[in-house]
This record gives sequence, structure tokens and C-alpha cells, in this order.
Amino acid sequence: KQEVTQIPAALSVPEGENLVLNCSFTDSAIYNLQWFRQDPGKGLTSLLLIQSSQREQTSGRLNASLDKSSGRSTLYIAASQPGDSATYLCAVPTSGTYKYIFGTGTRLKVLA
Amino acid sequence: EADIYQTPRYLVIGTGKKITLECSQTMGHDKMYWYQQDPGMELHLIHYSYGVNSTEKGDLSSESTVSRIRTEHFPLTLESARPSHTSQYLCASSPLGRGGYNEQFFGPGTRLTVL
Repeated sequence: KQEVTQIPAALSVPEGENLVLNCSFTDSAIYNLQWFRQDPGKGLTSLLLIQSSQREQTSGRLNASLDKSSGRSTLYIAASQPGDSATYLCAVPTSGTYKYIFGTGTRLKVLA
Repeated sequence: EADIYQTPRYLVIGTGKKITLECSQTMGHDKMYWYQQDPGMELHLIHYSYGVNSTEKGDLSSESTVSRIRTEHFPLTLESARPSHTSQYLCASSPLGRGGYNEQFFGPGTRLTVL
């Protein structure tokens, strides 16, 4: 059964720092991996989708990498800003179904 | 930007009432999902659909029911609301795509409080 873990659970950094969020999954047979951002009380906003054939994807200050063999993905945020404060979630589809498994999330706070 | 809508955004209701949470998307996506999320907690899938007239229960047992009569519409109904149903309900959709797996888009959520 696929399990998705995110470390750290919470992170507080000063503005301007580069930071890395981690996502681990136990079953490497995934089709893709998606990173989301969630602000308190709101829905999820899609940040990046990495297909299984890709090693990384970039969008602005965000860069996500995928290493299927080791069951890991990282989300790199460059030059962090207070507006980046949110919870970041990763999700993978489960094999043979149309369902997705979500990680427990990393709650990020960027201090001005 | 994803065009997926949920109404109402906030709902406070008394125990025993019947409620329907609406979810609509204008992207023609085949797959739609309902998740339940308590504050600061993880998402739990409660229902999903991969097309018209198809609905499946998710991983978290729920007393709610869903229907999928039209591609763009996936309402969730609680026949008799209870305080234990107090939570945030998130709707999502995704195109079927190659291999069956594709990007998920989420609505803004409905925060339900049952008194």
C-alpha cells in the first residue's frame, strides 16, 4: 500500500532563504507526482506536476525533482518570501485506480 | 487557472438537516473527487467518479452520497447532518489523460459546521 511522507512537518525560515521540502513514497511505480500549496481554510493550488519520465520541473522560483528509484521528490523554493507561507502537499496516484494519496504536508512560515 | 466552483463556501446548519454541497467544473474533466479535511489535518478521499453515472466510495467511510448525472456537476448530499460532519469539504477534478493519471485541480472548499 502506497504511503507518502513529508519532512519536515513544519519549517520556519527568514525571508530570502533557499529551502527544500521533502516528499517520500513507498511504491516507486508512480505515473506522476504533484505538488500543491494550501493556504489556511482554502483549497489546494497546483504548483507543479512531474511525470514519471521526468526528473524535474520548474515554475518561477519553484523547482521540483523526482527520483523514482529512491522514492523521493523535493520541492526547492528559491529566495523565499513571506507570501510563500502556506502548507505544501505532495500527492501521487495509486496504481490501478483513479485515486491519489496525499502526504501529511509541510507547514512553512517565512518571516519578514 | 482551474475553473472549479463550490457552493456554498460556508454553511452553518442544525443537526438533522439535509444538505447538498455543490461542485461544478467547466473544463470537461472526466474525473471528480470529494475530500474531507479537518483543520491542520490530512485530506481524506470520501467519493470519486471517473465519468457520468459512475461513483465510487473513497478510503474514508462517509455517510454522504454523491451523484454524477452530468460531466460538469458532482454534488455531495448529507441526508441528516450531525456535529461529527463538521469539516472542510474539498472538490477536485482531473482530466482522464494518457495513462489515466493527470493533474488535479481543486475548488475553494466548503466549510461546514453542524450545530
